[in-house]
Amino acid sequence: AQSVAQPEDQVNVAEGNPLTVKCTYSVSGNPYLFWYVQYPNRGLQFLLKYITGDNLVKGSYGFEAEFNKSQTSFHLKKPSALVSDSALYFCAVREANNAGNMLTFGGGTRLMVKP
Amino acid sequence: DTGVSQNPRHKITKRGQNVTFRCDPISEHNRLYWYRQTLGQGPEFLTYFQNEAQLEKSRLLSDRFSAERPKGSFSTLEIQRTEQGDSAMYLCASSLAWDTEAFFGQGTRLTVV
Repeated sequence: AQSVAQPEDQVNVAEGNPLTVKCTYSVSGNPYLFWYVQYPNRGLQFLLKYITGDNLVKGSYGFEAEFNKSQTSFHLKKPSALVSDSALYFCAVREANNAGNMLTFGGGTRLMVKP
Repeated sequence: DTGVSQNPRHKITKRGQNVTFRCDPISEHNRLYWYRQTLGQGPEFLTYFQNEAQLEKSRLLSDRFSAERPKGSFSTLEIQRTEQGDSAMYLCASSLAWDTEAFFGQGTRLTVV
């Protein structure tokens, strides 16, 4: 079984400050990890993924995430937040040998960036 | 627009009626997924197709739900005898291969009254 936890329902940050959105996961094998962002009344937009290789992954809009196998975490980060980053962020995981590619999502974290 | 397309965007139906949603994936993607998202929650997996074959179904997919992808291109999701608990956003996604990301459509928001 696979699962994802996003411990914070909401993260508040001032514009220009660094942001972190936390994610921990559980899978029985090796993980494939993803971050998606959702704006109001929209579908999910892909931000970045970890499949293999470098633990630090860079994605769209200046976001990055670090895969930490020992802590089973994949926190999303950005050095300088923008008001336009305010949205709902979802972490997702699937087992590397899950041929069906079924993603399990966390409950989401709402990011609020204040001017 | 070459993204995943879903129709309709919104559907309001009376309890007990049948509804059908359509998803057109990105053209070269052979993998197609349906998810359901309720307010304040993350998406939950419903079913997965590789080409025209439905390879995986969640236990969430009761016998009132059926999905098809007859020619390995577009897909339909039908809900029979809708219930108020079926009210949700239904998301379709597609991907190219086993190690690539899924791209999501904008979803169909179903309201059962």
